[in-house]
Amino acid sequence: AQSVTQLDSQVPVFEEAPVELRCNYSSSVSVYLFWYVQYPNQGLQLLLKYLSGSTLVKGINGFEAEFNKSQTSFHLRKPSVHISDTAEYFCAVSVDNQGGKLIFGQGTELSVKP
Amino acid sequence: DVKVTQSSRYLVKRTGEKVFLECVQDMDHENMFWYRQDPGLGLRLIYFSYDVKMKEKGDIPEGYSVSREKKERFSLILESASTNQTSMYLCASSPTDLGFSPFSSYEQYFGPGTRLTVT
Repeated sequence: AQSVTQLDSQVPVFEEAPVELRCNYSSSVSVYLFWYVQYPNQGLQLLLKYLSGSTLVKGINGFEAEFNKSQTSFHLRKPSVHISDTAEYFCAVSVDNQGGKLIFGQGTELSVKP
Repeated sequence: DVKVTQSSRYLVKRTGEKVFLECVQDMDHENMFWYRQDPGLGLRLIYFSYDVKMKEKGDIPEGYSVSREKKERFSLILESASTNQTSMYLCASSPTDLGFSPFSSYEQYFGPGTRLTVT
């Protein structure tokens, strides 16, 4: 069975610092991977997704993620964060082809301080 | 833009009440989902539906039921609300991937959530 682990539940950083949010998945086959962001009191919105091709995926708001098959990881990065990036971030993996069912990680709270 | 709307942002109900949470999407998506979100536990799937009048149990269906009479609408029902059902409830939808991959390449689109408090 597939699963997703987000290694940090909370990540505090200062504004303009770089950040990496870690995500590992377990699967014996090729996967499709997603990162979502949830701002306070809102639903989730898609940041980026990896389907195939280049292992470096660029998303919205300056975020990017690197797919590493050998390490079964899909870490999210941003070179310089803003206060407005304060949110919860979820990594997810697609588990079936019919209904678009996803398995989500536990989430990482990114807190950007001035 | 895909829009997923939920009937209430905040809801307060009493123990034992029957509670209806409504979700509507406007993009003709086949698939719809109900999750609950609790701190430290991420999103947990309650029920999902691949088509009208069709439903499948997710990971935590106990205490919940669903209804999908029309393609655009997916309702979550708490038959007899209990305090341990106090949570954030999120609805999502997605189109069906008709490709040959074993996995869907489509993301899910989420509503704004309903924060339910059962007292």
